[in-house]
Amino acid sequence: DAGVIQSPRHEVTEMGQEVTLRCKPISGHDYLFWYRQTMMRGLELLIYFNNNVPIDDSGMPEDRFSAKMPNASFSTLKIQPSEPRDSAVYFCASKPGQRNNEQFFGPGTRLTVL
Amino acid sequence: AQSVTQLGSHVSVSEGALVLLRCNYSSSVPPYLFWYVQYPNQGLQLLLKYTTGATLVKGINGFEAEFKKSETSFHLTKPSAHMSDAAEYFCAVSLSSNTGKLIFGQGTTLQVKP
Repeated sequence: DAGVIQSPRHEVTEMGQEVTLRCKPISGHDYLFWYRQTMMRGLELLIYFNNNVPIDDSGMPEDRFSAKMPNASFSTLKIQPSEPRDSAVYFCASKPGQRNNEQFFGPGTRLTVL
Repeated sequence: AQSVTQLGSHVSVSEGALVLLRCNYSSSVPPYLFWYVQYPNQGLQLLLKYTTGATLVKGINGFEAEFKKSETSFHLTKPSAHMSDAAEYFCAVSLSSNTGKLIFGQGTTLQVKP
């Protein structure tokens, strides 16, 4: 299994531009999570899906952030418009449905907004 | 509500010395507990987990953790530190409902000195 795949691995953009981060979860996993990691705030859960349906988006910082999961093998996190304070590493993770199973993390996307 | 506290944001040990990373949790139901490791510029990787059964859990790379219900603790230990253990370590607890959502601690950075 290739694990959780994220693209791009690095993204540099200018303030005001739209940014789209992509994630392919492990096949067969029911849950998908988006996290943001910064030095100041640590690891934050932004949103998660169960069977492609958003369950909890209370961690999404602002309306500028949106996430979709059109099918079981693909999810996007979009920031529009981007701001310098959005600079962070964004992780996607997936897990099977049973409670005792761990989350599997992707390698992350390092976003820099100039 | 569930929460996780990791005591010490930075821990420094000498190579060959005992590693002890502390984690305390609060949970209204029997918890499922996890330790993850994050090496520089990588995603989080599972070290070990406790769900049910034996309270002493062994993980990868020689790490182990003991679930102590009376102390609400799940401390991570390794008898002899290697330089390659330098990383950030996260303790996490699962929520009571079957959502797969994890509550993460703030992380502890382990430095290993030669």
